Amino acid sequence: LAKTTQPISMDSYEGQEVNITCSHNNIATNDYITWYQQFPSQGPRFIIQGYKTKVTNEVASLFIPADRKSSTLSLPRVSLSDTAVYYCLVGASMDTGRRALTFGSGTRLQVQP
Amino acid sequence: GAGVSQTPSNKVTEKGKYVELRCDPISGHTALYWYRQSLGQGPEFLIYFQGTGAADDSGLPNDRFFAVRPEGSVSTLKIQRTERGDSAVYLCASSSGGGGETQYFGPGTRLLVL
Repeated sequence: LAKTTQPISMDSYEGQEVNITCSHNNIATNDYITWYQQFPSQGPRFIIQGYKTKVTNEVASLFIPADRKSSTLSLPRVSLSDTAVYYCLVGASMDTGRRALTFGSGTRLQVQP
Repeated sequence: GAGVSQTPSNKVTEKGKYVELRCDPISGHTALYWYRQSLGQGPEFLIYFQGTGAADDSGLPNDRFFAVRPEGSVSTLKIQRTERGDSAVYLCASSSGGGGETQYFGPGTRLLVL
């Protein structure tokens, strides 16, 4: 399984752009890169998923370089409600094999007013 | 439609007792997952069902843990002879069952073993 490494915590202020980088040196050819967000007392919530280059949706962008050994989650103009733990995951494979998600410890983002 | 629901939301039990935790997945989702989350840690995979069968149970910590999904919808996680170390939040997720699909998580059941 590809292991992921991401910062333990980050601080930001409302209105700023936040970039959280995750390294996954051992990513496999068939692995997707997925980011989840988790608020206290809730289950993780899917944010974005990509395989290569750039993916953008209504809440975030995901940048993946050509070697796919890292990825960066970009949150534009964060608000207080973006304070949460963000998990980078690798391993939701495109094949029909292993489906389980492997979570690390995540990055605790604290947004200040 | 409704998301993944889990009952009970909280469960307090005594060491050595048996507990059952229930998960209702999103309607039509064929894949169902159980995870366990300890304080300050990310969720840890326990077991994955595709339909009625357990496709991957490699995350179950020991034979005190067992899960079923008899009709391919609702699932029950069963823990026998609970230990204090079993205290955690037990999360259930479901997905459509294809490859690389998004998993949708429930709010979890917080289990406390005294």
